[in-house]
Amino acid sequence: DGGITQSPKYLFRKEGQNVTLSCEQNLNHDAMYWYRQDPGQGLRLIYYSQIVNDFQKGDIAEGYSVSREKKESFPLTVTSAQKNPTAFYLCASSDREDTEAFFGQGTRLTVV
Amino acid sequence: GQNIDQPTEMTATEGAIVQINCTYQTSGFNGLFWYQQHAGEAPTFLSYNVLDGLEEKGRFSSFLSRSKGYSYLLLKELQMKDSASYLCAVPDMDSNYQLIWGAGTKLIIKP
Repeated sequence: DGGITQSPKYLFRKEGQNVTLSCEQNLNHDAMYWYRQDPGQGLRLIYYSQIVNDFQKGDIAEGYSVSREKKESFPLTVTSAQKNPTAFYLCASSDREDTEAFFGQGTRLTVV
Repeated sequence: GQNIDQPTEMTATEGAIVQINCTYQTSGFNGLFWYQQHAGEAPTFLSYNVLDGLEEKGRFSSFLSRSKGYSYLLLKELQMKDSASYLCAVPDMDSNYQLIWGAGTKLIIKP
């Protein structure tokens, strides 16, 4: 079955540690996205990639980094520079920007 | 600037009909998406409107008026499982068509 997989679903980290969130898709989509969702707010774009080996900053990229070495994979690293990393992180992919996006199950990151 | 407005929360009764509104201001227009998101889960696609009018898909319908910058999602024969947040989103033509998301409308269904 085709889909998009995020792991893990829940993640706990100590303050000051970097952490990498995994996102893999087998839908053969060119575009992949990382969003952050906080209570009472809409999805905010962190980074997006429209093609392998290329990615662009979204609205809230500071404190985050990504790579796109393979079409299927778009991992997100939350660095120690991110001031308020506790949030729900969603990865998505789409065929093009104007087609529906498919989301992973999300990763709830808690930094203590 | 780019902006999307939705009511924060709505309450409806099982079996009834509810309309969730979304207004947007964007520099251009390339369609409007509606997604459903249950608590703690990922959003799932409901509809995409690019032309004016009503599109019906089972119990859910979506309406668009481009001249008014307005859309609504109409849910009929409400079921308890429809309790969720409903998000509208539009592509931002100034930013490679990346989606701008509304904060979502939390719909509470009561028996």
